[in-house]
Amino acid sequence: NAGVTQTPKFRVLKTGQSMTLLCAQDMNHEYMYWYRQDPGMGLRLIHYSVGEGTTAKGEVPDGYNVSRLKKQNFLLGLESAAPSQTSVYFCASSYPPGPYEQYFGPGTRLTVT
Amino acid sequence: EDQVTQSPEALRLQEGESSSLNCSYTVSGLRGLFWYRQDPGKGPEFLFTLYSAGEEKEKERLKATLTKKESFLHITAPKPEDSATYLCAVQAGTSGTYKYIFGTGTRLKVLA
Repeated sequence: NAGVTQTPKFRVLKTGQSMTLLCAQDMNHEYMYWYRQDPGMGLRLIHYSVGEGTTAKGEVPDGYNVSRLKKQNFLLGLESAAPSQTSVYFCASSYPPGPYEQYFGPGTRLTVT
Repeated sequence: EDQVTQSPEALRLQEGESSSLNCSYTVSGLRGLFWYRQDPGKGPEFLFTLYSAGEEKEKERLKATLTKKESFLHITAPKPEDSATYLCAVQAGTSGTYKYIFGTGTRLKVLA
């Protein structure tokens, strides 16, 4: 039982390049989330999904897109990376609204130069 | 505006020196308050959920309590391995519009 996994673990991009971060969970959770974590700002929600085929905007969605084609996977895309997107990105999953705790992946450290 | 504030930002304790971390919140429709532990370079790890004022949860040296305005994470006789950042989060809102709000965390360092 791997829980929540994220790939890649580290990535360096040049301004304007694109990339996709992959999140996978094996707990059959309905809800999945993408956060970014920056020093002094805590975790901020980028996008989330309440089920396969659905996505919704969070607190800081600009510059990101997401897709949830399969229940176990949640993809985060950056179409044209900017230095302001340098951050640590975490994926999480949970059961429906709950209140239920979230289970987090190990994170992806992204640097945009 | 819904808000979660944690204090102190950082805390240094000697091994065995008990203390408390605070999480104060102003939200509409609290559904649950969560505590997480985050080690450097890793994702947050769930510790506790508290649902209503007066509730308490314990796990080893940690005890979480909840009032109508704040939560405390009490650490009794801490050990160096308790060093981590402790995050508080609340889930709040009305049916269909739930929000999950994180505080910025307390960085705890326990010295041997």
